[in-house]
Amino acid sequence: GEDVEQSLFLSVREGDSSVINCTYTDSSSTYLYWYKQEPGAGLQLLTYIFSNMDMKQDQRLTVLLNKKDKHLSLRIADTQTGDSAIYFCADSGGYQKVTFGTGTKLQVIP
Amino acid sequence: DAGVTQSPTHLIKTRGQQVTLRCSPKSGHDTVSWYQQALGQGPQFIFQYYEEEERQRGNFPDRFSGHQFPNYSSELNVNALLLGDSALYLCASSLLAPTGGPTDTQYFGPGTRLTVL
Repeated sequence: GEDVEQSLFLSVREGDSSVINCTYTDSSSTYLYWYKQEPGAGLQLLTYIFSNMDMKQDQRLTVLLNKKDKHLSLRIADTQTGDSAIYFCADSGGYQKVTFGTGTKLQVIP
Repeated sequence: DAGVTQSPTHLIKTRGQQVTLRCSPKSGHDTVSWYQQALGQGPQFIFQYYEEEERQRGNFPDRFSGHQFPNYSSELNVNALLLGDSALYLCASSLLAPTGGPTDTQYFGPGTRLTVL
């Protein structure tokens, strides 16, 4: 079955860039997503990328996709304390069935 | 424009009981998906409803069932509750593309926290 893996924890200083990495196994993935979850809250869609794209930039967020290696990354520029949360990588094949990773907890140190 | 809403917010049940969770999709959305998120884990896909029918299902037993109403709202039912069913249950809504292919955005509700004692 499909599998999505992420490192569990990342700690950065405020103002630095954060890079969260993800690998996936489903070669039929059509869309790849990054979601943010703050404590006690649901999931907020941050950005997504189509599988035929290499890069997508959206304000402070940059998504890089290496389809050959099935590797996805999310870079957050000028990381702020409000960016502290759990970030989930997810992929989607047909019919919007989304497979999530276990999440990376981002800690931003003031 | 209201986003995805879920009720109740929290629920406590005992083993063997049955529970019903409710979801109202974002205005204009016609597809509802349900996910289970255990503590410290990523959400796991339970099933998806479109046009009042289950379109796709994840690896969950038949104790998990659902329903979609003509107004696109949805219910998740879990029978014979087990301690392991304790989790955050998330509902997500989206708009099925006219071609039937995947769309690019699922919007999630805040979830229902179910505790089974």
